[in-house]
Amino acid sequence: AQSVSQHNHHVILSEAASLELGCNYSYGGTVNLFWYVQYPGQHLQLLLKYFSGDPLVKGIKGFEAEFIKSKFSFNLRKPSVQWSDTAEYFCAVTGTNAGKSTFGDGTTLTVKP
Amino acid sequence: EAGVAQSPRYKIIEKRQSVAFWCNPISGHATLYWYQQILGQGPKLLIQFQNNGVVDDSQLPKDRFSAERLKGVDSTLKIQPAKLEDSAVYLCASSLEPQNTIYFGEGSWLTVV
Repeated sequence: AQSVSQHNHHVILSEAASLELGCNYSYGGTVNLFWYVQYPGQHLQLLLKYFSGDPLVKGIKGFEAEFIKSKFSFNLRKPSVQWSDTAEYFCAVTGTNAGKSTFGDGTTLTVKP
Repeated sequence: EAGVAQSPRYKIIEKRQSVAFWCNPISGHATLYWYQQILGQGPKLLIQFQNNGVVDDSQLPKDRFSAERLKGVDSTLKIQPAKLEDSAVYLCASSLEPQNTIYFGEGSWLTVV
């Protein structure tokens, strides 16, 4: 069965701190990987995605993620967070064969000004 | 570009009553999803349509939930009769194809009392 695990439920950081959110998945095939973000009062939207090629992908607002195939991981990083990054972050995996998407339970990031 | 439209945004009903949610996906998107998101959890797929055919409804409680996608465009999700544990946000989403980026609506908040 396909599953996604996000290690941190709630992360609290001060502005300018570095961020890394963990995401591990379980799936017996080729996957597309996504990070989605939900800002307060807004709908879920794409932050970045990996389909193939360079395992280090860059998204909006200075976020990046690295796909490590051997570890089944797709961790999200940002060198210096801002107060406006306060949001909920979801990792998602889509199997390329069946096209079924599975989401993690999310990580709530609170950035203190 | 217009996003995914959902209505109603908020609904409060008593248990054993029925409710219906409507969704209009992004124009041209063949894949339509209904997710259930309970507070503190990630979106859980209820049903996935490809055009007007069902691709995956393995997690849809079919004794009380039903969904249809008329003419491969709009979709309706119905719950009858509702239970207290159905209180959640119901997210409609769409994508060009199953393996690609998912675009979410703002969600329909359901409270069952």
